[in-house]
Amino acid sequence: DGGITQSPKYLFRKEGQNVTLSCEQNLNHDAMYWYRQDPGQGLRLIYYSQIVNDFQKGDIAEGYSVSREKKESFPLTVTSAQKNPTAFYLCASSMSGTNTGELFFGEGSRLTVL
Amino acid sequence: AQSVAQPEDQVNVAEGNPLTVKCTYSVSGNPYLFWYVQYPNRGLQFLLKYITGDNLVKGSYGFEAEFNKSQTSFHLKKPSALVSDSALYFCAANPGTAGSYQLTFGKGTKLSVIP
Repeated sequence: DGGITQSPKYLFRKEGQNVTLSCEQNLNHDAMYWYRQDPGQGLRLIYYSQIVNDFQKGDIAEGYSVSREKKESFPLTVTSAQKNPTAFYLCASSMSGTNTGELFFGEGSRLTVL
Repeated sequence: AQSVAQPEDQVNVAEGNPLTVKCTYSVSGNPYLFWYVQYPNRGLQFLLKYITGDNLVKGSYGFEAEFNKSQTSFHLKKPSALVSDSALYFCAANPGTAGSYQLTFGKGTKLSVIP
């Protein structure tokens, strides 16, 4: 079955540590996205990538980094510079832009900073 | 800047009654509009979208939405609610320009269907 796989589902981190969230898709989609979800705030875009080896900052990119070395993979690193990293992180993909095609989401990764 | 508003944090409805989840948008041009649903600790699932054409859009699980350009609204509706419809619903908008990758989400509305 085609879809998006995020791992790990739950992750605990000590303050000052970097952590990388994995996102893999087998839908052959060109575009991939990372969103952050906090209670009562909806989804906010962190980074997105339209093609391999290219990505753009979203609304809340500070303290995060990404790479897009393969079409199927779009890992997100939450760095120690992110002031409040505890959140639910969602990876998504789309065939091309979001103007006509819907987003396909992974099941999410919940990061808790201890 | 574009924005999407969902004025109700929570909507309660009795099973079998019609439901409406409200959404208004502030997006220039001719926006494309979407509804997504999220069950607890899961990713979002696409329900329906409006691109152009008929103002009444039908989607998954018996949901439909009505686009109203003059009121800049895109309310989600269902004629008869099920307990299994209880979830968090998100409205989203895109400027509608070619190749646009920015999708703006509302803050979400929690729907509770009471047996």
